[in-house]
Amino acid sequence: DAKTTQPPSMDCAEGRAANLPCNHSTISGNEYVYWYRQIHSQGPQYIIHGLKNNETNEMASLIITEDRKSSTLILPHATLRDTAVYYCIRKDYGQNFVFGPGTRLSVLP
Amino acid sequence: EPEVTQTPSHQVTQMGQEVILHCVPISNHLYFYWYRQILGQKVEFLVSFYNNEISEKSEIFDDQFSVERPDGSNFTLKIRSTKLEDSAMYFCASSDRGTGRTTYEQYFGPGTRLTVT
Repeated sequence: DAKTTQPPSMDCAEGRAANLPCNHSTISGNEYVYWYRQIHSQGPQYIIHGLKNNETNEMASLIITEDRKSSTLILPHATLRDTAVYYCIRKDYGQNFVFGPGTRLSVLP
Repeated sequence: EPEVTQTPSHQVTQMGQEVILHCVPISNHLYFYWYRQILGQKVEFLVSFYNNEISEKSEIFDDQFSVERPDGSNFTLKIRSTKLEDSAMYFCASSDRGTGRTTYEQYFGPGTRLTVT
């Protein structure tokens, strides 16, 4: 049970920001939110993770709501190479990663 | 940038045969994992390995499966008697920290596509 809810698919125009939502309404205080992506049939690729505060790295930004019940992954300027399945995963101390079906993001030219 | 490598990229085997999938984790990592992904389905955890023993395994990882770190660099997954339903992509991953730490990232290899005929 992945315990997160994501839309099955989304489209985004190339060069625009892609905003991928994730619902984790039952998240506990110790659980982090992780984002991975899988391009075609390659191995999953780590993107970013956070607990409470918003996070940014060279790949993306992660916005977590104040009540921590949902989050949004932002790819600021999506390119065709960002077309992938994006996984939102909540993970606590002692747990392994549990992948759900994710969101299939299609970046359109 | 260091990366996890896996060989072969594609393995075809007959039902009932043994297969060994090979992985070379990132060199300073101590925690190793195998996942599988049946075509069109989710990525599923199989097993984690640390300090030369299995840390955790899923229900999928039954007696037909075994893992080994035969030397300082390789990490292998063996399937003793393959079944048609073992056909899948198998991903190896490694991390420098394990589940005992609150946060850690796993780095995945490109996968081995196993086809059982």
